[in-house]
Amino acid sequence: QVQLVQSGAEVKKPGSSVKVSCKASGGGFSSYSTNWLRQAPGQGLEWMGGIVPILATPNYAQKFQGRVTITADKSTNTASMELSSLRSEDTAVYYCARWFRRGATNQFHFDSWGQGTLVTVSS
Amino acid sequence: DIQMTQSPSSLSASVGDRVTMTCRTSQSMTYYLNWYQQKPGKAPNLLIYGASSLESGVPSRFSGSGSGTDFTLTISSLQPEDFATYYCQQSFSAPWTFGPGTKVEI
Repeated sequence: QVQLVQSGAEVKKPGSSVKVSCKASGGGFSSYSTNWLRQAPGQGLEWMGGIVPILATPNYAQKFQGRVTITADKSTNTASMELSSLRSEDTAVYYCARWFRRGATNQFHFDSWGQGTLVTVSS
Repeated sequence: DIQMTQSPSSLSASVGDRVTMTCRTSQSMTYYLNWYQQKPGKAPNLLIYGASSLESGVPSRFSGSGSGTDFTLTISSLQPEDFATYYCQQSFSAPWTFGPGTKVEI
């Protein structure tokens, strides 16, 4: 497994943007998919999108298209997620997680997670 | 998007009980279904992948079964550390979606 360490908590005003980073250690960063998920207070998990750094092209959940930007810096083994036009409903814990393929199978799952970053949107 | 439902939404059980929870998907997943455990303030932790394969390091009291649209997670003998919320997640097609969770109270 890899270790994922996220940036710290943020408090943002409605309409602003937030950028959360996720630094990976343990090898192989460029070749695996780093994904972003969020969890609103007392709610379930929601996938936002992901990126494979060596491919550079992110994919996003349709719900967040146009508001989220996921990038990866291979030189620092860091993935980032920027969410714009923030509203109160975006208050949540944001997680990065590795999307891992199990051996030669077609079985994928999230196997390593960051510690989570609380983003609070409040005026 | 594939919709996921879980039942029950919560349950209360005693140490040593056998606990079963279910996950249903809006279309057939074959075996592309994972289970996670999440404790308060922590990130989720993978328990079962491929519907029935136990992740390394996970106690053998956890087991998964099912295929198609109906899946089950069973805890054979509930332990105090199993107090948590359990989520199913489909890996059949993006966007990857989760069930709303089953909260297990001891």
